[in-house]
Amino acid sequence: IQMTQSPSSVSASVGDRVTITCRASRDINDWLAWYQQVPGQAPKLLISAASTPQSGVPSRFSGSGAGTSFTLTIDSLQPEDFATYFCQQGYNFPLTFGPGTRVEIK
Amino acid sequence: QVQVVESGGGVVQPGRSLSLSCAATGFNFSNFAMHWVRQVPGKGLDWVAVISHLGTEKYFGDSVKGRFSISRDNSKNMVFLQMNNLSADDSGLYFCVKEVRIYGVGSWFGPWGQGTLVIVSS
Repeated sequence: IQMTQSPSSVSASVGDRVTITCRASRDINDWLAWYQQVPGQAPKLLISAASTPQSGVPSRFSGSGAGTSFTLTIDSLQPEDFATYFCQQGYNFPLTFGPGTRVEIK
Repeated sequence: QVQVVESGGGVVQPGRSLSLSCAATGFNFSNFAMHWVRQVPGKGLDWVAVISHLGTEKYFGDSVKGRFSISRDNSKNMVFLQMNNLSADDSGLYFCVKEVRIYGVGSWFGPWGQGTLVIVSS
């Protein structure tokens, strides 16, 4: 299953709302996760099953979608949110990731 | 708290082998599948392999199938990745990661360790 993301990068300011789209090449139901990777750090699981936030994830992060189209929304971007975000399908093997979306400071 | 620590990375010549290890603490290791994921620094993520909680199921990424093997020792809370016939394309930071779902074998994973760096070069 091929995963695509758009945009590949986005420039935004603190307080902005950012939306990232992830698309799967076939129906994956809600078997989708989102990860955040801050430069120099390992990835961190943010959201699983398309819309379930992990414990401790700020409420400004939300996920939605099902089937082949998914979104990650960050409401009121904070300085610590500038990072690269990856989607990943958990529907079947081999598990695959999207190429990532870099959220940069405007 | 869940912690995984990878080791065994290094510089290896093309065609040679390397074995990675991962030590896990802070959770009931024998209840969770374990994954290996790799990343060329600054690039994307590439899922490598998973082993089920009892070691009875193993799945591999297409680029490593037939060359890599995965195993675990539940008595020592460790998981291993044996990498054979390495090429430059196998270079990267290798992360050992815990499956999130108890008894699940493949969905999503976390938390992540800091990884161990593999460089395949002559």
